[in-house]
Amino acid sequence: EAQLVESGGGLVQPGGSLRLSCEASGFSFSSDWMNWVRQAPGKGLEWVANIRQDGRDKYYVDSVKGRFTISRDNAKNSLYLQMNSLRAEDTAVYYCARAKLASWGQGTLVTVSS
Amino acid sequence: QAVVTQEPSLTVSPGGTVIFTCGSTTEAVTSGHSPYWCQQKPGQAPTTLIYDTSNKHSWTPARFSGSLLGGKAALTLSGAQPEDEADYYCLLSYGGPWVFGGGTKLTVL
Repeated sequence: EAQLVESGGGLVQPGGSLRLSCEASGFSFSSDWMNWVRQAPGKGLEWVANIRQDGRDKYYVDSVKGRFTISRDNAKNSLYLQMNSLRAEDTAVYYCARAKLASWGQGTLVTVSS
Repeated sequence: QAVVTQEPSLTVSPGGTVIFTCGSTTEAVTSGHSPYWCQQKPGQAPTTLIYDTSNKHSWTPARFSGSLLGGKAALTLSGAQPEDEADYYCLLSYGGPWVFGGGTKLTVL
């Protein structure tokens, strides 16, 4: 059974940085596009970024371009999201999801506040 | 980036049928947008019911089906159950970036 486990969330001050990780198991990680999706408290889902199987193609929502970087390590079955210059509006639960959104993690909470 | 539109709320009677729609402000929705439909219940991570317009995952109940309808993506729920009360989100691909709709809150009443 496919499983995704996010980690790395926490409380960070505005302007700070955080790196999220997503560890995958139970499927061929290197064969799948991977995604980050977030959900602000009480709000809807927002797609954040995705990355091709070999890491060469990456796409971002406009609001995070230049601040967030998605990456992956297929040898470690792991997906990452480096978040810099964090803002209050980045506060959300961050989920990783595999191709076809066939599996979602349980999410990790990022809170940006002073 | 495009805005994806959904009904804010829908209500259906138990055993009834309801259709959710998903539109794009920039163009008609086609199979090229690979429409997805996700369900989220309070306090839970989302689960995906439909991908690529009409394909179901192994866990998708048979009462859910996806299609294209009048320039929009559609999710039809036939024979609603109390456990179907949830938020439903559509997701469209724009050739790289994806965009979620604002979500539809379904009440089964």
